[in-house]
Amino acid sequence: GENVEQHPSTLSVQEGDSAVIKCTYSDSASNYFPWYKQELGKRPQLIIDIRSNVGEKKDQRIAVTLNKTAKHFSLHITETQPEDSAVYFCAARGGYALNFGKGTSLLVTP
Amino acid sequence: GAVVSQHPSWVICKSGTSVKIECRSLDFQATTMFWYRQFPKQSLMLMATSNEGSKATYEQGVEKDKFLINHASLTLSTLTVTSAHPEDSSFYICSAQQTAETQYFGPGTRLLVL
Repeated sequence: GENVEQHPSTLSVQEGDSAVIKCTYSDSASNYFPWYKQELGKRPQLIIDIRSNVGEKKDQRIAVTLNKTAKHFSLHITETQPEDSAVYFCAARGGYALNFGKGTSLLVTP
Repeated sequence: GAVVSQHPSWVICKSGTSVKIECRSLDFQATTMFWYRQFPKQSLMLMATSNEGSKATYEQGVEKDKFLINHASLTLSTLTVTSAHPEDSSFYICSAQQTAETQYFGPGTRLLVL
């Protein structure tokens, strides 16, 4: 089955800096890669996603890149703000279900 | 995004009792719903895939007789934790599939078994 690795597990940046979270996947048939943000005690929220026929997608301060050959994808957050602090999960889907990475706890300090 | 509700939001029960959790898609029909369990500071672990009108598909290591899933309509799936024990205490989250790919999560149910 699909195996998704996510790094780093924790990330601390200063407000205004950029944050990058990287994920790799094992199943070359995976074709959908969403990113979720989860605040403490709350549900994961879909923040951006990318499909395998696209290399990059951007939505304001958030961007995701995908390298199908290398089987890795990354989340980029620019001009970070304290409210970006949360746990971020990447996921990959090849069949019917999403396989999640272990999460990255992002802390943005003022 | 689409709205998914979950009820109850938290429950405390005695060991040996059964607990039912409901997951509803409020503004779309979901042929497929998913049930996850999340322990503190850990990732989402898929327990089972719930398909409307058919039996659920359970992930390896998940006891289907302990975690009963019913998906009787296109907007409702239920998870029943039977004979709950303290080790079943966790955060249970459902998600509903709106399109072939996009999933939206419910707010989760925090279960504490004493």
